[in-house]
Amino acid sequence: DAGVTQSPTHLIKTRGQQVTLRCSPKSGHDTVSWYQQALGQGPQFIFQYYEEEERQRGNFPDRFSGHQFPNYSSELNVNALLLGDSALYLCASRSAGLTDTQYFGPGTRLTVL
Amino acid sequence: AQSVAQPEDQVNVAEGNPLTVKCTYSVSGNPYLFWYVQYPNRGLQFLLKYITGDNLVKGSYGFEAEFNKSQTSFHLKKPSALVSDSALYFCAVRRYNTDKLIFGTGTRLQVFP
Repeated sequence: DAGVTQSPTHLIKTRGQQVTLRCSPKSGHDTVSWYQQALGQGPQFIFQYYEEEERQRGNFPDRFSGHQFPNYSSELNVNALLLGDSALYLCASRSAGLTDTQYFGPGTRLTVL
Repeated sequence: AQSVAQPEDQVNVAEGNPLTVKCTYSVSGNPYLFWYVQYPNRGLQFLLKYITGDNLVKGSYGFEAEFNKSQTSFHLKKPSALVSDSALYFCAVRRYNTDKLIFGTGTRLQVFP
């Protein structure tokens, strides 16, 4: 049973560019959340997707957007990259029950030069 | 506002000794509490959670945590530490009606042989 998978593992971009990160949830999970983990800090919630719609959002600008597909996989898009967007981006998934645990993927390390 | 405090940046313990990693939280209503562990260049691995019921929660790899409502604490414990337990530990809290996990800043556990 595959866990949460993310691609790519690493990514290097320059300021002003756009990036797309991908996530496949754990089998049987239909809800996906994205987090940003800056160096030396705890993860911060970006947004959550359920039934192909953004349901909750953290304190991130509109440059951060996402999408969820019918197979429950998800993308995170970041436009107009800033140096401060350099971080580990984590995807988490859970099944429908709100008491259920969010399981995290290995993350995508984004470096903005 | 919700928040999590992990007062110790690092905890050092000798192999075979008991360990405690501290966590206090602030959230309105009944909290859902979690512990995750992060190994270098890896995502977060779920250890245990408290939703309701018995205040002592047992999790993976021999870890346990005690929910103390009056002290708003959820300290992580293990009776006998292993060198392989050395990693970064995150405490997280969320409200019952949201997926947004609020993380502490993390505590680095170093277990010496």
